[in-house]
Amino acid sequence: SAVISQKPSRDICQRGTSLTIQCQVDSQVTMMFWYRQQPGQSLTLIATANQGSEATYESGFVIDKFPISRPNLTFSTLTVSNMSPEDSSIYLCSVVEAANEKLFFGSGTQLSVL
Amino acid sequence: AQSVTQLGSHVSVSEGALVLLRCNYSSSVPPYLFWYVQYPNQGLQLLLKYTSAATLVKGINGFEAEFKKSETSFHLTKPSAHMSDAAEYFCAVSGYGGATNKLIFGTGTLLAVQP
Repeated sequence: SAVISQKPSRDICQRGTSLTIQCQVDSQVTMMFWYRQQPGQSLTLIATANQGSEATYESGFVIDKFPISRPNLTFSTLTVSNMSPEDSSIYLCSVVEAANEKLFFGSGTQLSVL
Repeated sequence: AQSVTQLGSHVSVSEGALVLLRCNYSSSVPPYLFWYVQYPNQGLQLLLKYTSAATLVKGINGFEAEFKKSETSFHLTKPSAHMSDAAEYFCAVSGYGGATNKLIFGTGTLLAVQP
């Protein structure tokens, strides 16, 4: 199964700053996704990170707030820009393993914004 | 549009008792259905998935789920709960095409296991 390294595992940030979260996979994967899990809620898909092209964002999420990079088939970053306390969430990277079409998740980044 | 509804945000069972976590889905296309588990301070882990083959799907840790089209349900069960089963469980659905499509998650059910 795919091994996903996500960092940082947690961070405490000040309002108005930005944080970049990294997701590294130990194998090449076609599809990578970024999810958000707000306190006490389920996971919500932010965007699909496309290699070599702009990410595809879900309704309610915009590139200016959540810019995403996908420079190759094993790495992606999500930036949470101009943070506010409402951005306090767990952010999760996930990938699809082509061999078995299984979706794997990283262990997440716990973000707290003061 | 697809969605899943998990009935019961909190479920408490005694150790050794039957675990039943409910999930109903809505999908305009043949769905792929999933159960994920999230242990405290850990990432999500796939328990099992239904991909239109056998309607009774067996997963890890003794869990299984049955796809019932007539009831649009995909409930998760385990005959005998262990203390280590205490976690949050998420049901999810994706459209025809498998896991490569985005997953829509339910709101989760927190399972507590009492000694």
